Amino acid sequence: ETGVTQSPTHLIKTRGQQVTLRCSSQSGHNTVSWYQQALGQGPQFIFQYYREEENGRGNFPPRFSGLQFPNYSSELNVNALELDDSALYLCASSSFFGETQYFGPGTRLLVL
Amino acid sequence: SQELEQSPQSLIVQEGKNLTINCTSSKTLYGLYWYKQKYGEGLIFLMMLQKGGEEKSHEKITAKLDEKKQQSSLHITASQPSHAGIYLCGAAPNSGNTPLVFGKGTRLSVIA
Repeated sequence: ETGVTQSPTHLIKTRGQQVTLRCSSQSGHNTVSWYQQALGQGPQFIFQYYREEENGRGNFPPRFSGLQFPNYSSELNVNALELDDSALYLCASSSFFGETQYFGPGTRLLVL
Repeated sequence: SQELEQSPQSLIVQEGKNLTINCTSSKTLYGLYWYKQKYGEGLIFLMMLQKGGEEKSHEKITAKLDEKKQQSSLHITASQPSHAGIYLCGAAPNSGNTPLVFGKGTRLSVIA
């Protein structure tokens, strides 16, 4: 196991609702990245946080937002959920933004 | 933007057989990561390659990065049911190593 934890494991929401996903990074890691993985696809980069600041963002709309806390845990917030947001959301932590990323088990989100 | 193509998309092998999975990049690779994913779960880090010609092994899995640094292969010797899963290659798009761009994965099944 990597030491990266995510909650909840599964979530069902309806279109238009808002959701918050949580990630605890591995001990000693100060960088957290979030990825979205649709069924049958590879993970797609959403954004990355390094020492509580956003350090890069992928091609996702502003309704995807995040936070990183002083203990380096992180949240991913998605507003105005759409059906296409249904996916596995993965969090990865690393000791520095240039180092190997270790992934959590993911949160599976279903939007109805 | 960088794209990774993995082949084959899926593979069924008999237990004890050897197999190879390929990952080809549209651009020069600064770092190439191999991860394994059990269906619907998080990614498990296998190996990371950076130098052209580099080869690394872990148990029965060997990964190579070609000299031109645009292709990598993952070879499994004497496959076992525990090797079943989805193998994903991820590339660092620049020298900073993150965020990672992933291929779509190769789904491996090992039958007795």
